[in-house]
Amino acid sequence: AQSVTQLDSHVSVSEGTPVLLRCNYSSSYSPSLFWYVQHPNKGLQLLLKYTSAATLVKGINGFEAEFKKSETSFHLTKPSAHMSDAAEYFCVVSDQDQAGTALIFGKGTTLSVSS
Amino acid sequence: EPEVTQTPSHQVTQMGQEVILRCVPISNHLYFYWYRQILGQKVEFLVSFYNNEISEKSEIFDDQFSVERPDGSNFTLKIRSTKLEDSAMYFCASSAGGAKNIQYFGAGTRLSVL
Repeated sequence: AQSVTQLDSHVSVSEGTPVLLRCNYSSSYSPSLFWYVQHPNKGLQLLLKYTSAATLVKGINGFEAEFKKSETSFHLTKPSAHMSDAAEYFCVVSDQDQAGTALIFGKGTTLSVSS
Repeated sequence: EPEVTQTPSHQVTQMGQEVILRCVPISNHLYFYWYRQILGQKVEFLVSFYNNEISEKSEIFDDQFSVERPDGSNFTLKIRSTKLEDSAMYFCASSAGGAKNIQYFGAGTRLSVL
């Protein structure tokens, strides 16, 4: 069965410094991997998606993630944090890139950005 | 930009009561989903729905739950007899279909069972 583990429940950075949110996955198949973000009182918004094309995936708002099969990791990074990046981030796996398939969520990482 | 809307944002109910959570998916989407997140726990898949049928459901989605698309725009989750442990944030999502499983989520309904 597929699963994801987000290694940090809370990450704090200063504005302008790099962001690293860590995620490890477990999947019996060639997985689809996602990062979603949730700002307060907003829906879950897709940041980026990996589906076995390029291993480095670029998303919205300057975020990117690298798929490393040997490490079963899909860490999310951003070179320079903005105050507006403060939110809850979810690493998500799906065993098929097919509509109707359940998404399996990690527990989430709260990103705090200080000025 | 089209979005998934959920109403109400917060629902309070008494244990044993029936509750209906409502969602309006993105208009040209074909697949619909419900997820829930109990406070402090992971977001969990409940059910997916396509062509007026359940296409996949989790172990959580037992006989007290049902889903319906009563008209061309709404997608509902009914909990027949609520329990204290049903208190959670419930998220609706929709996707366009085909070979891409990109699901778009609403802001959620917080259900509090007293």
